[in-house]
Amino acid sequence: GESVGLHLPTLSVQEGDNSIINCAYSNSASDYFIWYKQESGKGPQFIIDIRSNMDKRQGQRVTVLLNKTVKHLSLQIAATQPGDSAVYFCAEGKTSYDKVIFGPGTSLSVIP
Amino acid sequence: DSGVTQTPKHLITATGQRVTLRCSPRSGDLSVYWYQQSLDQGLQFLIQYYNGEERAKGNILERFSAQQFPDLHSELNLSSLELGDSALYFCASSVAGRNTDTQYFGPGTRLTVL
Repeated sequence: GESVGLHLPTLSVQEGDNSIINCAYSNSASDYFIWYKQESGKGPQFIIDIRSNMDKRQGQRVTVLLNKTVKHLSLQIAATQPGDSAVYFCAEGKTSYDKVIFGPGTSLSVIP
Repeated sequence: DSGVTQTPKHLITATGQRVTLRCSPRSGDLSVYWYQQSLDQGLQFLIQYYNGEERAKGNILERFSAQQFPDLHSELNLSSLELGDSALYFCASSVAGRNTDTQYFGPGTRLTVL
């Protein structure tokens, strides 16, 4: 399939371990944050989101943490599986009709 | 399958030419977004439409234009193509165009300008 081919930060994780993907966002006025997963040859896929009035949100095997003080967002994936291998993007925006800005992405590689 | 369709899947053309990329949103979604994903720029927002009207504009060049038709499908027109326009172009759709609405991405169109 097609791949982006960016020189992305890469995280290699053993299958079964937990993964932590980090993201620094740029705009202190952003109040809505999203994580997307992009598998090779596919478009980005929504994983989880969080609003600025929260500092943690959990989904199925994923947790997003938000630290507004240092403008930092992280995605934790529990018990990482080979199917989690993908590029992960954080995105920031405002809860108004404005554009969402995507970060550069991190490539996650799961070692079986 | 996100429910968003894009055609064509691949497009190869020459510099100076004009192409049209097409996107059909998910059934029921009123808003369409266009993104460009290139090797050195990552995923860049180009433009958003909601129910036929332009809603937000990003880093879209003047050589590029888009529209959303009454049946809600959208087209992205790229003209006077340059080598640097080679990229993946994604369309996404959402229910109402709010930032808090989940965007569903299509499979993309790979444009190669020779």
